[in-house]
Parts: sequence; structure tokens; C-alpha cells
Amino acid sequence: DAGVTQSPTHLIKTRGQQVTLRCSPKSGHDTVSWYQQALGQGPQFIFQYYEEEERQRGNFPDRFSGHQFPNYSSELNVNALLLGDSALYLCASSLGRTQYFGPGTRLLVL
Amino acid sequence: GENVEQHPSTLSVQEGDSAVIKCTYSDSASNYFPWYKQELGKGPQLIIDIRSNVGEKKDQRIAVTLNKTAKHFSLHITETQPEDSAVYFCAASMDSNYQLIWGAGTKLIIKP
Repeated sequence: DAGVTQSPTHLIKTRGQQVTLRCSPKSGHDTVSWYQQALGQGPQFIFQYYEEEERQRGNFPDRFSGHQFPNYSSELNVNALLLGDSALYLCASSLGRTQYFGPGTRLLVL
Repeated sequence: GENVEQHPSTLSVQEGDSAVIKCTYSDSASNYFPWYKQELGKGPQLIIDIRSNVGEKKDQRIAVTLNKTAKHFSLHITETQPEDSAVYFCAASMDSNYQLIWGAGTKLIIKP
């Protein structure tokens, strides 16, 4: 079992650009959640996808959007990047309550 | 909404000693409490979790206790080893809310 995988591992963008991050869940998992983790802080929930629909959303602006594909993989899109969007973006997959995390994508906005 | 507080922010213990990290939550509807270990440059790794119908759970050197009345739960690591050095996060969630609410993390340092 490959576990949760994310791509890319690192990314550098400039303010105003758009970015797409990708996540493949653990085999058999049907739910994907996305979190943002600023340096030295705990992760903050962005949203969760189940059955290709956004099931719940945290306190993030509409610049953050996502998608889940029929194979349960998911994308996180962030438009009009701000310096404050620099963070580690974590994807977690689950079948029930337990969430398993990928290694994250480190995004730096200059 | 739910709020999780975690203490201490940094914990330094001698190798072989025990370490205890404590968390409190605010919403009595929370009923699932996982603990994650995060090493530098990696994603959080689930190490143990507990549900509100259980007071204690053990897995080798790791144990978690839950006091629903006081709304706090703790992680206990016995016989600490150098590889236990990492940042540990507690989290909470409830049936009506799919997101995990996280504590601020505890940096555990194991001194040789």
C-alpha cells in the first residue's frame, strides 16, 4: 500500500499566480481532506471531499477550491496567491473517522 | 466552535523517562481524539486515537487517557527513546463535523 501521496513536494510561486496541488488517497479510502499548516502551528482545515462533492468547508476564502475525481484522487486550487498562503498543504484520506496524512506540499509565495 | 488547547509547547525529558502531553477541548460533543507525531519535513503520522466511550487505550509504550467530565485527554510515552523526538499534535472531532480541530503542538526533545 503506497499510502497517501501528494505532488509536487515543493513549489515556488509569485503573488497573484494560481497553483494546483494533487493528492492520491490510500487504497480503499473514499474521502479526502485538505489542511493548511503554517510554520510552527497546527493544521487548519480547508475542506473535505466525499463522492466528488465538497462535504464541508473550513474558514477559507473562495480563492481556495477543490475537486475530487471518480478514482477518489483530489486537487486543491488556490487563485490569486498571497504571501500569507505560504505554508505546508496537507492531504488526508479516510474511510471512517481516522485520517491518514500525506507528506505535504511546501508552497512558497514570493 | 470547538477549541483545543495543548500543553506544554516544549517538553524536554531524559532518555528512558516518561513524557506526558495534555490537551483540553471545549465542546462536549467531541467524541474522537487522535494523536499525531510530525517529524521535520514530513506529514503528521497517526500514533494512537481514542473514542469517547473508552477511558484509556494503550499501544506498547504509548497510552492515551480521556476524562470526559473535565474535557481533557493526555498522551503518555514511557521509556522514551531518541526516535521519539518530534512535534506531537492532539486533535478532536465530533460526529456532526468532519474536520479535525488541532492543538498547537508540543515539541518533544529526548536528551541522551
